[in-house]
Amino acid sequence: SQQGEEDPQALSIQEGENATMNCSYKTSINNLQWYRQNSGRGLVHLILIRSNEREKHSGRLRVTLDTSKKSSSLLITASRAADTASYFCATCSGTSYGKLTFGQGTILTVHP
Amino acid sequence: GAGVSQSPSNKVTEKGKDVELRCDPISGHTALYWYRQSLGQGLEFLIYFQGNSAPDKSGLPSDRFSAERTGGSVSTLTIQRTQQEDSAVYLCASSLVPAGDSYEQYFGPGTRLTVT
Repeated sequence: SQQGEEDPQALSIQEGENATMNCSYKTSINNLQWYRQNSGRGLVHLILIRSNEREKHSGRLRVTLDTSKKSSSLLITASRAADTASYFCATCSGTSYGKLTFGQGTILTVHP
Repeated sequence: GAGVSQSPSNKVTEKGKDVELRCDPISGHTALYWYRQSLGQGLEFLIYFQGNSAPDKSGLPSDRFSAERTGGSVSTLTIQRTQQEDSAVYLCASSLVPAGDSYEQYFGPGTRLTVT
């Protein structure tokens, strides 16, 4: 079963706009990670946020984590056409080290 | 440096045949993971190796699936008597230590398996 559920399932925006994707999960976690996937193949790691962290930045990416609500968000600022991809959140819980449980993903399309 | 590599990149096989999928992790990464991605099921965890042992193989869908890792490096995922529902992209990932210790996983490009 999928631990993470993401919304929206699809997001279409214009270049330069910000894109926000949300992820909810059910059980306690050690960390939450966001990945990007182009063309249905390999995933690229974007950012990892630990359970004791609330916010993290990396370039144009900002991730927040609210463990009380069991939710996370990924914000991409000043989006570019090259950001077009599927974005997945993945959780790692304390009961099974190494095992990532992925959400269904958000398909982001950035129009030039 | 070199990333995670997988071979073959594409595999078409007939129902009932056995297939072997190979993963070469990043050098020095002790943890190795297999996942599969299909339209109906999304991204699913299959098995996790720490060194040559597999502490978590809870995601293997049936006893037709097995995996091994030798020398703390290369891993092979074997599917026996393939079925059409085995068609998916099989992804391998590696990391320095288990993700529970807050290290990211690096993914290979995947093997697209099609069972006809």
